[in-house]
Amino acid sequence: AQSVTQPDIHITVSEGASLELRCNYSYGATPYLFWYVQSPGQGLQLLLKYFSGDTLVQGIKGFEAEFKRSQSSFNLRKPSVHWSDAAEYFCAVGAQDTGRRALTFGSGTRLQVQP
Amino acid sequence: DAGITQSPRHKVTETGTPVTLRCHQTENHRYMYWYRQDPGHGLRLIHYSYGVKDTDKGEVSDGYSVSRSKTEDFLLTLESATSSQTSVYFCAISEGDRGLLAQHFGDGTRLSIL
Repeated sequence: AQSVTQPDIHITVSEGASLELRCNYSYGATPYLFWYVQSPGQGLQLLLKYFSGDTLVQGIKGFEAEFKRSQSSFNLRKPSVHWSDAAEYFCAVGAQDTGRRALTFGSGTRLQVQP
Repeated sequence: DAGITQSPRHKVTETGTPVTLRCHQTENHRYMYWYRQDPGHGLRLIHYSYGVKDTDKGEVSDGYSVSRSKTEDFLLTLESATSSQTSVYFCAISEGDRGLLAQHFGDGTRLSIL
């Protein structure tokens, strides 16, 4: 079965600094990969997705993520963080060749932005 | 906006009572999902549906049942609520026809069981 690990439970960065959130997955074939963001009291919003092709994908709000097959990783990056980016971020994986027709989510990374 | 509405948005009830949460979608998606979100656990799948009257269990299905009698509505029922089912519940739909493409979420239902 596929699994997703987000090693960092909580990260604090200064406004204007760069950001990288880590995501590692466990799955034998090429998975479908996603990053979501959740603001307090809200549902999850899709930031970006990877299915195949170019390993660097661009998303909304200035975020990007890079798929690295050799490291089983799909890290989320942003060159300059804004205070409004403070939220919780979830990585998710979908497995193509299993009977499961749902995504598996990591446990999340909470981002705090200091002024 | 994926046209997903969850009701109620908040509910407080007592242990042992039945509870039904409703998810309504307006875009005729085939796949619908119920997740629960608890601190430190991310989102965990309770049940999902791949068509009218077609449902399957997720990894935390014990104590929950679902029904889908119409494409647009997916109901989650707690037959006899327990305090361990206090959580935030999210409904989601999946793009496409295979259930593996991007999912879009409702705003959640905060359920407290006393």
